[in-house]
Amino acid sequence: KQEVTQIPAALSVPEGENLVLNCSFTDSAIYNLQWFRQDPGKGLTSLLLIQSSQREQTSGRLNASLDKSSGRSTLYIAASQPGDSATYLCAVPAGNNRKLIWGLGTSLAVNP
Amino acid sequence: EAQVTQNPRYLITVTGKKLTVTCSQNMNHEYMSWYRQDPGLGLRQIYYSMNVEVTDKGDVPEGYKVSRKEKRNFPLILESPSPNQTSLYFCASSFEAGRAGSTDTQYFGPGTRLTVL
Repeated sequence: KQEVTQIPAALSVPEGENLVLNCSFTDSAIYNLQWFRQDPGKGLTSLLLIQSSQREQTSGRLNASLDKSSGRSTLYIAASQPGDSATYLCAVPAGNNRKLIWGLGTSLAVNP
Repeated sequence: EAQVTQNPRYLITVTGKKLTVTCSQNMNHEYMSWYRQDPGLGLRQIYYSMNVEVTDKGDVPEGYKVSRKEKRNFPLILESPSPNQTSLYFCASSFEAGRAGSTDTQYFGPGTRLTVL
């Protein structure tokens, strides 16, 4: 049974710092891995989707990597800003691809 | 603008009073799904639909019903809500999630915060 774990659960950093959020999964047979951002009252926003054949994906200051063999993904945020404060969630499709299996998220606070 | 909309966004109700949370998408997506999010438990799937008139249970379907009469709409029905259904609910849609090998992104609505007293 696929399980997704995110460490740390919470992170507080000063503005400008580069940071890494971690996501691990137990079953390496995944179609893809998605990183989402959750803001209070604003739902879930997809940040990056890495296909199983890819090693990394970049969008602006965000870079996500995927190592299927070790069951890990990292989300790298460069030059963090207070507007990056949110909860970051990773998710992988279940074996039948009919649902997403989610980590509990990392709550990020970027302090001015 | 491509989006998934949910209504209402916030709802406080009492035990046993039937309610419906609507979900609509304007992207002509075939796949739609409902999740609930609870502290310490994360997001769990309630029901999903692969297409019109095709629905199936997720991990936590008890106490919920759904219907998919039109491609764009996927309402979530609580016929007799109970306090343990107090939660944050998300609707999602995708063009082809649910198909083997699909790498399609899922799009989420803004969430409905439900409190059942």
